[in-house]
Amino acid sequence: QKEVEQNSGPLSVPEGAIASLNCTYSDRGSQSFFWYRQYSGKSPELIMFIYSNGDKEDGRFTAQLNKASQYVSLLIRDSQPSDSATYLCAVNNRGSTLGRLYFGRGTQLTVWP
Amino acid sequence: DGGITQSPKYLFRKEGQNVTLSCEQNLNHDAMYWYRQDPGQGLRLIYYSQIVNDFQKGDIAEGYSVSREKKESFPLTVTSAQKNPTAFYLCASSALGGNRGEKLFFGSGTQLSVL
Repeated sequence: QKEVEQNSGPLSVPEGAIASLNCTYSDRGSQSFFWYRQYSGKSPELIMFIYSNGDKEDGRFTAQLNKASQYVSLLIRDSQPSDSATYLCAVNNRGSTLGRLYFGRGTQLTVWP
Repeated sequence: DGGITQSPKYLFRKEGQNVTLSCEQNLNHDAMYWYRQDPGQGLRLIYYSQIVNDFQKGDIAEGYSVSREKKESFPLTVTSAQKNPTAFYLCASSALGGNRGEKLFFGSGTQLSVL
């Protein structure tokens, strides 16, 4: 049973556009949601986290959470070629050990000049 | 600088050999984790530890072993029982506390290949 689902992509957008990355999860009791960015051959880097329904903005990044729909998304505004990477969605399930995250397979994003 | 150090960066295993991946952190984090990543796949949890001298199996623990003798160190041994060990191995740590999932911080990873 898959816990976290992401569109595998690849997603390709032009420089300056908005990139929209989506993630759904199966456990209704999930409490914490994270987005990691992973460049090829490198380790994941935390870029956003969200706990409550609604939007959370940090610079060019906006995380959106809808617990009723079990849906979390990441928007990247004014996309840059340096944003080209794989984006991993991660979820902490209800009753899970703190820090025990379930990861999606990732969405590969390419931003072309 | 605080962080997580994994070594070696690349490791090759011969048939029937056990190999050990090192993970050290100086973030004073209580919890440490080992994840495995295969191409095009998400991260899968191998083992995790919340305190010294205690650890739990994750989703794919078969063929692996760990120890947690010090707070700073959480080495992973890939045994000969692991028949498909080729993967990118990631060590992570997190502070524990509160009632929400804590943020994970990752080391730079070890690429393990079979000769």
